[in-house]
Amino acid sequence: EAQVTQNPRYLITVTGKKLTVTCSQNMNHEYMSWYRQDPGLGLRQIYYSMNVEVTDKGDVPEGYKVSRKEKRNFPLILESPSPNQTSLYFCASSKTSGDYLQSSYNEQFFGPGTRLTVL
Amino acid sequence: AQKVTQAQTEISVVEKEDVTLDCVYETRDTTYYLFWYKQPPSGELVFLIRRNSFDEQNEISGRYSWNFQKSTSSFNFTITASQVVDSAVYFCALRRGTYKYIFGTGTRLKVLA
Repeated sequence: EAQVTQNPRYLITVTGKKLTVTCSQNMNHEYMSWYRQDPGLGLRQIYYSMNVEVTDKGDVPEGYKVSRKEKRNFPLILESPSPNQTSLYFCASSKTSGDYLQSSYNEQFFGPGTRLTVL
Repeated sequence: AQKVTQAQTEISVVEKEDVTLDCVYETRDTTYYLFWYKQPPSGELVFLIRRNSFDEQNEISGRYSWNFQKSTSSFNFTITASQVVDSAVYFCALRRGTYKYIFGTGTRLKVLA
């Protein structure tokens, strides 16, 4: 089954304790991205990756790190979490190669979300 | 500025009514993509449609239709004969040529039986 998986789904942690949220996709997609969703703000892009070893900042990258060492994985790292990073996080992937007219081109598949609480 | 505006925070309709969700975007890019996503109460995000900037054809898929107008920078979404299962938060999004995505703040649709 084609899917994007995230782990953990729920996490409660304390300020300053480093954590990693994993994201993996099995569709051989080139593009992967992290978003955070906050009430009244919609989804905001944190980081994205065009392919292995190619990453770039979204609109809200402060306090986050990412890496793309393998095509299928795109972990989100919070080196020193703070309460303002309490949020619902989504990972997504999409195909960006091939025929741009195909309906699957650029269609983002989202993971189930990770609800993070930083105390 | 590059942004997506969904001015309707929440809409309530009675089942079988038609409803239109508005989306207005701003971008300086000449090539861009527009999307609609649905987030039902269960929380997952579901892709509904993608539209390229060079393709202004409107689209109909069952009870759903989309009206893309570059002249007014709008990409509106209409649900005909709404059903309770349509209750969700709907997000409009813009993908710029740089592959950055900008989402609107979402419109919560409540369809009452």
